[in-house]
Amino acid sequence: EVQLVESGGGLVKPGGSLRLSCEVSGITFSSHYMTWVRQAPGKGLEWVASISSSSSSRYYAESVKGRFTISRDNAKNLLYLEMNSVKAEDTAVYYCAREGRKVVAVPVAPGGYVLRFDPRGQGTLVIVSS
Amino acid sequence: DIQMTQSPSTLSASVGDRVTITCRASQSITNYLAWYQQKSGKAPSLLIYDVSTLEDGVPARFSGSGSGTEFTLTISSLQPEDFATYYCQHYKINSPWTFGQGTKVEVK
Repeated sequence: EVQLVESGGGLVKPGGSLRLSCEVSGITFSSHYMTWVRQAPGKGLEWVASISSSSSSRYYAESVKGRFTISRDNAKNLLYLEMNSVKAEDTAVYYCAREGRKVVAVPVAPGGYVLRFDPRGQGTLVIVSS
Repeated sequence: DIQMTQSPSTLSASVGDRVTITCRASQSITNYLAWYQQKSGKAPSLLIYDVSTLEDGVPARFSGSGSGTEFTLTISSLQPEDFATYYCQHYKINSPWTFGQGTKVEVK
């Protein structure tokens, strides 16, 4: 049974930093591309960042580029999102997702595969406020 | 980025109703289209990918159709557990994933 469990959210001041984690079980983590998606309160879903299985490729939404860093530890089955210089508009629930069906064998840019979330997951809430 | 537009934003329906949600892409995404269901306080759940392929375990009352820029999600007979918000999303190669704004299916 695949499980994705997000953690690390909380209240952070504008300009501050936070690191989110996603613990993955039930799959061969090191073989999967992984993604962060966020949802502002009462709003829709927004892609944030993705990372290839070996960490060789990382992609970011323009809204977070230069401020957020996605990384992973394949030995620990953990995905991370380092959030720096946070802004009020980063306030959201953050979900991690694993790769589903791939359109291409080796995606080298955003897109190209289905995202699979853990529907039992609640994400982790980040609130940016002074 | 490719814009995904869903309609309606809210849909009021009763158990047993046939429900249809439309999703339009700002450019052709061929068949790289998925549908998700999201219940309050939970992560989205993949229902359909490749326009019409049901994810394992998804009931057959859900179906998808379309191609290019226009797509639909149909629930043939709405069940109590189907009241939720539905999102379309593209996964076209070399294009950042984007989602529709969501369609909330509520009790009439």
